[in-house]
Amino acid sequence: AQSVAQPEDQVNVAEGNPLTVKCTYSVSGNPYLFWYVQYPNRGLQFLLKYITGDNLVKGSYGFEAEFNKSQTSFHLKKPSALVSDSALYFCAVRGIYGSSNTGKLIFGQGTTLQVKP
Amino acid sequence: DGGITQSPKYLFRKEGQNVTLSCEQNLNHDAMYWYRQDPGQGLRLIYYSQIVNDFQKGDIAEGYSVSREKKESFPLTVTSAQKNPTAFYLCASTEGIRDRGPNTEAFFGQGTRLTVV
Repeated sequence: AQSVAQPEDQVNVAEGNPLTVKCTYSVSGNPYLFWYVQYPNRGLQFLLKYITGDNLVKGSYGFEAEFNKSQTSFHLKKPSALVSDSALYFCAVRGIYGSSNTGKLIFGQGTTLQVKP
Repeated sequence: DGGITQSPKYLFRKEGQNVTLSCEQNLNHDAMYWYRQDPGQGLRLIYYSQIVNDFQKGDIAEGYSVSREKKESFPLTVTSAQKNPTAFYLCASTEGIRDRGPNTEAFFGQGTRLTVV
């Protein structure tokens, strides 16, 4: 079965400190992995993705994520948090073409990031 | 501008009524998705479609129906069988089965907030 877990409902960090939002996944075969951000009453905005290649991927607004196949994790990171980063963050996994989960896009339950001045 | 449009933004349903949520995209994407968002539960997949005239149930399809008669349109009907329909509904699209390249991320609409009155 395909699934995504975000173990923390909320992450609190001080502005200027590094942040990490955790994500683990379960999917047959090699996954496509994504991070999205959502602001109140809005749709989701794409941040970054892992398809293949380097395990460290860089995305929008200074965010990056590290793919770890052995730990089936894809944690979101940023070296220095901003107050404006405060939002709801979602990790997602999609089965690759030709797998039993072709095209099925599954999200975690979301993690609220609160960055305090 | 290319994008994905959901309408209406707010929708009120009386007990026992069916209502239809609209989702239209002009991105030439093959795949489209419907999600339901409830506080603390993240995004749950209702239905998805990889190609015109074909769709699959997601994790919470009961009480919902969809159609995919045109590539650009994927309307969702919330039927009277859905006992707790009050939620925020999000539509998304991806390139789909053609996406063996870099453009694999999903694009989201701005959502429809459905309330039972």
